Amino acid sequence: AQSVTQPDIHITVSEGASLELRCNYSYGATPYLFWYVQSPGQGLQLLLKYFSGDTLVQGIKGFEAEFKRSQSSFNLRKPSVHWSDAAEYFCAVVNTGTASKLTFGTGTRLQVTL
Amino acid sequence: EAGVAQSPRYKIIEKRQSVAFWCNPISGHATLYWYQQILGQGPKLLIQFQNNGVVDDSQLPKDRFSAERLKGVDSTLKIQPAKLEDSAVYLCASSLGDGLGGANVLTFGAGSRLTVL
Repeated sequence: AQSVTQPDIHITVSEGASLELRCNYSYGATPYLFWYVQSPGQGLQLLLKYFSGDTLVQGIKGFEAEFKRSQSSFNLRKPSVHWSDAAEYFCAVVNTGTASKLTFGTGTRLQVTL
Repeated sequence: EAGVAQSPRYKIIEKRQSVAFWCNPISGHATLYWYQQILGQGPKLLIQFQNNGVVDDSQLPKDRFSAERLKGVDSTLKIQPAKLEDSAVYLCASSLGDGLGGANVLTFGAGSRLTVL
């Protein structure tokens, strides 16, 4: 069965600093990969997705993620964090065999200090 | 484009009572999903509809949870009787089709937060 691991439960960074959130997946084939962000009291918003092709994908709000097959990873990055980026971030994977069941990691809560 | 609408946003009930959540997906989206998000965990799929038919309900606790999507548009998720461990946020999402890929992605509503006392 597919699974997603986000090893960092909580990360704190200073505004303006760079950010990297880790995501590892367990799946035999190349899955579809997603990053979602959830602000307090809000639903999940899609930041970016990887289906195929270029392994570095750009998303909204200045985020990017890199798919590394050899490491089974899909880490999320941002060069300069803004206070408004404080939220919970979820990595998710789709089993390309079923093509529709989205499995989420447990999330990483980002705190931004001024 | 209007987003996925959910109601109520918040609900507090006693254990063994019943509760219902409503979802209106994005217009034209054939696939509708209900997820359960327990505090500190990622969302877990409860049930997936394609139009008004069930595609996957393997993780739905069918002894207490039920869901329907009449006419392939709105959907209702019901819990009866509720248990303490049902306290969670219930997220509804929709997508154009059932095969995620390309432009077909999930759009989530704001969620319904349930507290069972």
